[in-house]
Amino acid sequence: AQKITQTQPGMFVQEKEAVTLDCTYDTSDPSYGLFWYKQPSSGEMIFLIYQGSYDQQNATEGRYSLNFQKARKSANLVISASQLGDSAMYFCAMRDMYNFNKFYFGSGTKLNVKP
Amino acid sequence: SQTIHQWPATLVQPVGSPLSLECTVEGTSNPNLYWYRQAAGRGLQLLFYSVGIGQISSEVPQNLSASRPQDRQFILSSKKLLLSDSGFYLCAWRTPGLSNSPLHFGNGTRLTVT
Repeated sequence: AQKITQTQPGMFVQEKEAVTLDCTYDTSDPSYGLFWYKQPSSGEMIFLIYQGSYDQQNATEGRYSLNFQKARKSANLVISASQLGDSAMYFCAMRDMYNFNKFYFGSGTKLNVKP
Repeated sequence: SQTIHQWPATLVQPVGSPLSLECTVEGTSNPNLYWYRQAAGRGLQLLFYSVGIGQISSEVPQNLSASRPQDRQFILSSKKLLLSDSGFYLCAWRTPGLSNSPLHFGNGTRLTVT
């Protein structure tokens, strides 16, 4: 069964610095998709970035980039130039290879950006 | 653009009472629809998903049920709530068939069963 592990329950980062949020996954499937979501204190889940297992390049979306290391089964989220509004919970998720309706979520990392 | 509406935002219900949470999507046709539950400080647990009107797949056996009476409407129900049903419920939609299509979530309903 697929499994997502986020080992950092909480992290602090200074405003304007970069931060890396860790995510490792466990799957024997050759094809999968990895997603990162942001959940502010208001509760909504906001999609940030996607990485496909066959993508040759690391995904980037504005200040978000994904450090994808397939051999190590890790998909770490890098946020550059942190802003106060980046303070939130961040979840890593993996889509099932055979059933696109099944997403497996990690337990999340709470990021606090300090002014 | 697509939008997803979920209501109510908060709900306090006594044990044994019924539940109805509603979710509607605008700006897209034939979406796949989902109900997730998030316990405090935890990740998301898939409860139900639907690939079409009247088609419901249940992932977790429990006293909750889901229905999809219209293409863009998804309802989560219970006949008798339990204390363990407390949590944050999120509705989501997704474009079917695309491997890179993410889940798009509503704002959630915070349910407290007393």
